[in-house]
Amino acid sequence: DAKTTQPPSMDCAEGRAANLPCNHSTISGNEYVYWYRQIHSQGPQYIIHGLKNNETNEMASLIITEDRKSSTLILPHATLRDTAVYYCIVESGGSNYKLTFGKGTLLTVNP
Amino acid sequence: EAQVTQNPRYLITVTGKKLTVTCSQNMNHEYMSWYRQDPGLGLRQIYYSMNVEVTDKGDVPEGYKVSRKEKRNFPLILESPSPNQTSLYFCASAPQGRIGTGELFFGEGSRLTVL
Repeated sequence: DAKTTQPPSMDCAEGRAANLPCNHSTISGNEYVYWYRQIHSQGPQYIIHGLKNNETNEMASLIITEDRKSSTLILPHATLRDTAVYYCIVESGGSNYKLTFGKGTLLTVNP
Repeated sequence: EAQVTQNPRYLITVTGKKLTVTCSQNMNHEYMSWYRQDPGLGLRQIYYSMNVEVTDKGDVPEGYKVSRKEKRNFPLILESPSPNQTSLYFCASAPQGRIGTGELFFGEGSRLTVL
């Protein structure tokens, strides 16, 4: 599975957009990009995923570069409750739905 | 409400005393799995189940057992717990066992301490 690189921490002002980058330069053609977040020690929460195209849902947008070597998760209007560790995960469509969580990015939303 | 429910949420036990952490999902998911989370090591998969009566080892299965007799339940069994099994445990489920077919839902976690 491709390795991902994320900044260890980021800050964002409440109400502003939070843009979380992820580098996955060794991604292969059949690997998905997933984003999860974990608030304190709660269970990881799914945010969004994509394969090639940009994706948007009620929580966030996922922008994947054309060469697929990097992506950006966008939280359009960050709130204090968005403070969490955000994980960018790249996985192939194997027969075991196993996600490999790295260290992630600690996003702190400030008032 | 769609959810994965784990019990107990917190447990302190002693070495060698068998315990079971239950996991139940109400989404009719075929796939279920267990992870443990430790500082500096991230989340690691213990066991997974593609469907009823089908289970397989994940990355760190030693010291654990599982069973999948019903679709909704996937208990994690520690036959003889040891201190190195002190950890935060998460159960997860998905519609199917293939990445890209839907999201993986996680439970709220069970914090286990073995003395």
